[in-house]
Amino acid sequence: DGGITQSPKYLFRKEGQNVTLSCEQNLNHDAMYWYRQDPGQGLRLIYYSQIVNDFQKGDIAEGYSVSREKKESFPLTVTSAQKNPTAFYLCASSTGQFYGYTFGSGTRLTVV
Amino acid sequence: DQQVKQNSPSLSVQEGRISILNCDYTNSMFDYFLWYKKYPAEGPTFLISISSIKDKNEDGRFTVFLNKSAKHLSLHIVPSQPGDSAVYFCAASGVASGSRLTFGEGTQLTVNP
Repeated sequence: DGGITQSPKYLFRKEGQNVTLSCEQNLNHDAMYWYRQDPGQGLRLIYYSQIVNDFQKGDIAEGYSVSREKKESFPLTVTSAQKNPTAFYLCASSTGQFYGYTFGSGTRLTVV
Repeated sequence: DQQVKQNSPSLSVQEGRISILNCDYTNSMFDYFLWYKKYPAEGPTFLISISSIKDKNEDGRFTVFLNKSAKHLSLHIVPSQPGDSAVYFCAASGVASGSRLTFGEGTQLTVNP
């Protein structure tokens, strides 16, 4: 089955540690995205990539980093510079403007 | 600058009645609109979309209406069912933004039996 997989589903980290969230898709989609969901704020774009080896900052990129070395993979690193990292993180992929996104099931990151 | 807004954080309706969820946008370059449904601790799933060349799109119990002059769209669910209880996100895209979607804040719909 084609889909998009995020792992792990739940992640706990101590403050000051970097953590990497995994996102893999086998849909052959060119574009991939990372969003963050906080209560009452909807989905905010962190980073996106429309092609391998290229990515752009979204609306809230500070404290995050990404890489896109393979079409299938778009990992997100939450660095210690991110002031409020505790959130629900969603990865998505897309094949073009008029097809919308396919989302992963999300990773709940809790920093203590 | 919130380009897509869903002004109602929550909506509660009785089973069998109509649910109407609203969404406003400010960017006149948006030309494609989508609705997503999200359950807790899961990723959003695509529900229905509409292109700016149309003013209505229907899929079963779900209908989306687009009023371009008012920069407003709405999602109608009729009849509403308890399983429809979820957060609904409105999203928009335009040629200038490519495949990137801009989302609203979401509306929590609760359908009471």
